[in-house]
Amino acid sequence: AQKITQTQPGMFVQEKEAVTLDCTYDTSDPSYGLFWYKQPSSGEMIFLIYQGSYDQQNATEGRYSLNFQKARKSANLVISASQLGDSAMYFCAMRGGQAGNQFYFGTGTSLTVIP
Amino acid sequence: NAGVMQNPRHLVRRRGQEARLRCSPVKGHSHVYWYRQLPEEGLKFMVYLQKENIIDESGMPKERFSAEFPKEGPSILRIQQVVRGDSAAYFCASSYGTGAYEQYFGPGTRLTVT
Repeated sequence: AQKITQTQPGMFVQEKEAVTLDCTYDTSDPSYGLFWYKQPSSGEMIFLIYQGSYDQQNATEGRYSLNFQKARKSANLVISASQLGDSAMYFCAMRGGQAGNQFYFGTGTSLTVIP
Repeated sequence: NAGVMQNPRHLVRRRGQEARLRCSPVKGHSHVYWYRQLPEEGLKFMVYLQKENIIDESGMPKERFSAEFPKEGPSILRIQQVVRGDSAAYFCASSYGTGAYEQYFGPGTRLTVT
């Protein structure tokens, strides 16, 4: 069975500093995808970054990078140079299920950026 | 270039009433997914549909919940005889295809059952 675990319910970071949000996953599928989404207080889900299980390099998108350690089954999100607008809930998700149609979400990490 | 549209954004229903949630996917997307988010929790998959077909409904409660994605018009998630435990945010997502394609999420419908 697929499972996503986020063990940090809340995190604080100083503005302009980097922060790492943890995510571990469990799956028996040889092929899977890992995603991070941001959910601000307004409630919408915003796609941030994607990592495929066969990708050789860690994914990067602007200030976001994904520290993918396949042997440890971890896919941590690193946000560099934090901004006040980064304060939000962050969800790690894994694609799985029938033909990869389901997304399994973690319980989320609430990030607060301190000025 | 509209994203996923959901309406209404907020819906209040009394116990026993029906709730109908609508989702219009991104133009050109034929894959629609529904998720439920309970307070303080992550999203839980409910159902995956393509036009006129339910592909995977393994996350749907067996009773009172149904979903459709007709040939024309939005996808509808229908909850009959709502109970307080149905209060949640319901998100719709769409994708161009399956597999590596990311899912684009709508803003969600917040259902409150009084």
